[in-house]
Amino acid sequence: AQKVTQTQTSISVVEKTTVTMDCVYETRDSSYFLFWYKQTASGEIVFLIRQDSYKKENATVGHYSLNFQKPKSSIGLIITATQIEDSAVYFCAMREGASGSWQLIFGSGTQLTVMP
Amino acid sequence: GGIITQTPKFLIGQEGQKLTLKCQQNFNHDTMYWYRQDSGKGLRLIYYSITENDLQKGDLSEGYDASREKKSSFSLTVTSAQKNEMAVFLCASSKWDAEQFFGPGTRLTVL
Repeated sequence: AQKVTQTQTSISVVEKTTVTMDCVYETRDSSYFLFWYKQTASGEIVFLIRQDSYKKENATVGHYSLNFQKPKSSIGLIITATQIEDSAVYFCAMREGASGSWQLIFGSGTQLTVMP
Repeated sequence: GGIITQTPKFLIGQEGQKLTLKCQQNFNHDTMYWYRQDSGKGLRLIYYSITENDLQKGDLSEGYDASREKKSSFSLTVTSAQKNEMAVFLCASSKWDAEQFFGPGTRLTVL
């Protein structure tokens, strides 16, 4: 069965530093899609970045990048030059491709606090 | 660009009551989803719909019904609200292979 695990419940960092959030997943499919979302204090959920399993190159969007380690079933989110407004809950999610299921499985989230 | 609208924003019901939540999107996306988020937890899929008049159950479908009569709208019904139930229900939409966009949520409280 597919499963997504985020073991870090909360992380605190100082502004302008780099933070990495961990995520491991379980799947039997050879083809799958991995996503990171951000949920702000207001409850808004925003898509950040995506990694397709067949792509070897790590995805990068703005100051977000991914550390995709396929043999370890791991997809870490790296935020460089953190800002106060990056404070939020970050969710990792996975969708299997070959099975045809549209279900997105979410991890339990990591609360990031960026301090001045 | 586009937007997802959810109504109502807050929903208060009585135990045993049937309650309906509505979602509209103007992205022209084919696929729409309903998730439930309990406080401090991740999102769990209740129902999704690949196209108009299609319905697929997620892991949390028991106790819920859904309806997709138009491409742009997707409704969720709590068939019998449970006392002390509190959660946020989130609607999302996507193209078939792309990331999902989320609505602002409906916060449910059952007295």
